[in-house]
Amino acid sequence: GESVGLHLPTLSVQEGDNSIINCAYSNSASDYFIWYKQESGKGPQFIIDIRSNMDKRQGQRVTVLLNKTVKHLSLQIAATQPGDSAVYFCAENSIIQGAQKLVFGQGTRLTINP
Amino acid sequence: NAGVMQNPRHLVRRRGQEARLRCSPMKGHSHVYWYRQLPEEGLKFMVYLQKENIIDESGMPKERFSAEFPKEGPSILRIQQVVRGDSAAYFCASSRRQGGTGELFFGEGSRLTVL
Repeated sequence: GESVGLHLPTLSVQEGDNSIINCAYSNSASDYFIWYKQESGKGPQFIIDIRSNMDKRQGQRVTVLLNKTVKHLSLQIAATQPGDSAVYFCAENSIIQGAQKLVFGQGTRLTINP
Repeated sequence: NAGVMQNPRHLVRRRGQEARLRCSPMKGHSHVYWYRQLPEEGLKFMVYLQKENIIDESGMPKERFSAEFPKEGPSILRIQQVVRGDSAAYFCASSRRQGGTGELFFGEGSRLTVL
């Protein structure tokens, strides 16, 4: 069945440290993955994406790693700042019942300690 | 360029009433998706629409829920005879391309509370 799961529901880090948020996906046919950030009371905001023909992609302070062998995705945030506090979701683009759609994981809440 | 606009942001209904949630996609986007989010949970796909067509409604309950995206005007998610279990945040997203392989842009959501 469709499922995207996360290893940790909550993550607490010190300001300035690096954060790593993990995600496991189940559909080996998924070809596109996205990380979203959701702040309290707001809609999900695109952070970074990666296609299945890549294993790493870097953005501004963020890096996404894709390990297709173990169906694992991670989001690394460098020099975490208070503004990074949010819930982070990974999503995979899957073909389900003949239609493509994004399937979201449950999310990881990231809190930043001063 | 305005983002995805959803209204109302908050809606309170009593059991048995109807709820109508509206979504205007970003300019130039013809693909609209509705997702539901319960507190402390991820987003669950409900329905995918293009103008005047429902492409995939596999995530939408068979009864009481309907969605449309008319040729003119916003997409509408309609919930009839609401029950307490319908209380959730409903997010609309739009994209230029089919199936979410392009970036999905989300609105700020409509939070439905059923008393």
